[in-house]
Amino acid sequence: AQSVAQPEDQVNVAEGNPLTVKCTYSVSGNPYLFWYVQYPNRGLQFLLKYITGDNLVKGSYGFEAEFNKSQTSFHLKKPSALVSDSALYFCAVRDEGNTPLVFGKGTRLSVIA
Amino acid sequence: DTGVSQNPRHKITKRGQNVTFRCDPISEHNRLYWYRQTLGQGPEFLTYFQNEAQLEKSRLLSDRFSAERPKGSFSTLEIQRTEQGDSAMYLCASSPGLVGTGELFFGEGSRLTVL
Repeated sequence: AQSVAQPEDQVNVAEGNPLTVKCTYSVSGNPYLFWYVQYPNRGLQFLLKYITGDNLVKGSYGFEAEFNKSQTSFHLKKPSALVSDSALYFCAVRDEGNTPLVFGKGTRLSVIA
Repeated sequence: DTGVSQNPRHKITKRGQNVTFRCDPISEHNRLYWYRQTLGQGPEFLTYFQNEAQLEKSRLLSDRFSAERPKGSFSTLEIQRTEQGDSAMYLCASSPGLVGTGELFFGEGSRLTVL
C-alpha cells in the first residue's frame, strides 16, 4: 500500500528566503507524485506533479520539486518565499495503476514578512 | 464556473439525522472521488467512481455511508444516523479519462458538523 510522510507539521521562513517542504513516500513500483496547496476555506489546488522524466519538476506560483528515487523523497521548494505562500501543503502519491491518491498529513507553511 | 461544485458548503445536524451531499464534477470527467478531511489531517480516500460504476470503497466507508453516481455525472454522498465522529470536511474531486496521470481537481468541500 502507498503511504506518504510529511515530517514537519509547520515550517517557518522569512519572506525572500528559500523554502523547502519535505515529503517521503512508499509505493510499489514507480510513483506518481503530487503537491497540492490549501488556503483557508478553499479546496485543494494542484501545484505540480512528477510522473516520469526530469527529476526537477516546475509547477505553479514559482514552486518546484525534486524527485529523488534513492531517498524516496519529493521535496517542495521555492527560491524566494512570499507572504502569500503561507498555506497548508499536501504531498500525495499513487502507483502506476488506477489506485486513488494517498495524501500526507500536510505541512503548514508560514512566511513571515 | 466550470470547476467542481459541492453543495451544501456547510451542514449542521443533530446526531442521528441523515445528511446528503452533492458533487457536480467538471464536465466530461469520467472519474469522481470522495475524500474526508478532519482537522490536522490530510484528505482520506472514501470511494471513487468510473462513470456510474463505483470501483473502490475504503474501509473508512461504514455501512452508514452510501455514494451514488446514477448517470455518470453528479454524485451524492449520504450519511445515515450521523455520529459526532462524522464531523469533517467532505471533499469531492474529479479527473479526466480512463487512464490519466492521476491529477485530481477538487471542489471547495462540504463541512459537516454533527451536534
